[in-house]
Amino acid sequence: AQRVTQPEKLLSVFKGAPVELKCNYSYSGSPELFWYVQYSRQRLQLLLRHISRESIKGFTADLNKGETSFHLKKPFAQEEDSAMYYCALKVGNTDKLIFGTGTRLQVFP
Amino acid sequence: DVKVTQSSRYLVKRTGEKVFLECVQDMDHENMFWYRQDPGLGLRLIYFSYDVKMKEKGDIPEGYSVSREKKERFSLILESASTNQTSMYLCASIQGISPGELFFGEGSRLTVL
Repeated sequence: AQRVTQPEKLLSVFKGAPVELKCNYSYSGSPELFWYVQYSRQRLQLLLRHISRESIKGFTADLNKGETSFHLKKPFAQEEDSAMYYCALKVGNTDKLIFGTGTRLQVFP
Repeated sequence: DVKVTQSSRYLVKRTGEKVFLECVQDMDHENMFWYRQDPGLGLRLIYFSYDVKMKEKGDIPEGYSVSREKKERFSLILESASTNQTSMYLCASIQGISPGELFFGEGSRLTVL
């Protein structure tokens, strides 16, 4: 079955601390994975995608097919990183995305 | 900038009422989606459409229907609203040339009493 799991509902850290938001997936095909972010009172938007291998706002995510994971990492959290983060899996040849349940990141000053 | 507009930001309806949620995108995108967003459940796909008059069920289509008469407009219909349909509804669109990049609307928060 196709599934995205985000085990943490809430992650709280202090400014400057490292952050890792966990995402595991279940998919029989070749996965395409994404991280979306929703800041307070803003639209949900794409943060990064694994095929781009990019760093956005200091965040990176590496696809680990052996562990079926796509964890989001940032070495030094900032207060403005506080938001809701969703991991998503693209299904097959469609543009359909399956989302995880989300992790709320709180960064305290 | 891509714009996805959901006409109703907040609605309050009574059980049994028919509800229309409208979504319009201005970038000639082919694919459009309706998700519902609930705390602890994340985003769940209700329906999507890959062309005018074409639709496919998502993961939770029960109690919902959709309409896509024009390319830019995708409507979600609740034929007889129930309290368990109280939720945030998100519309999204995608062109397909930028894989996985959905453009979302601001959301419609529906409360069914």
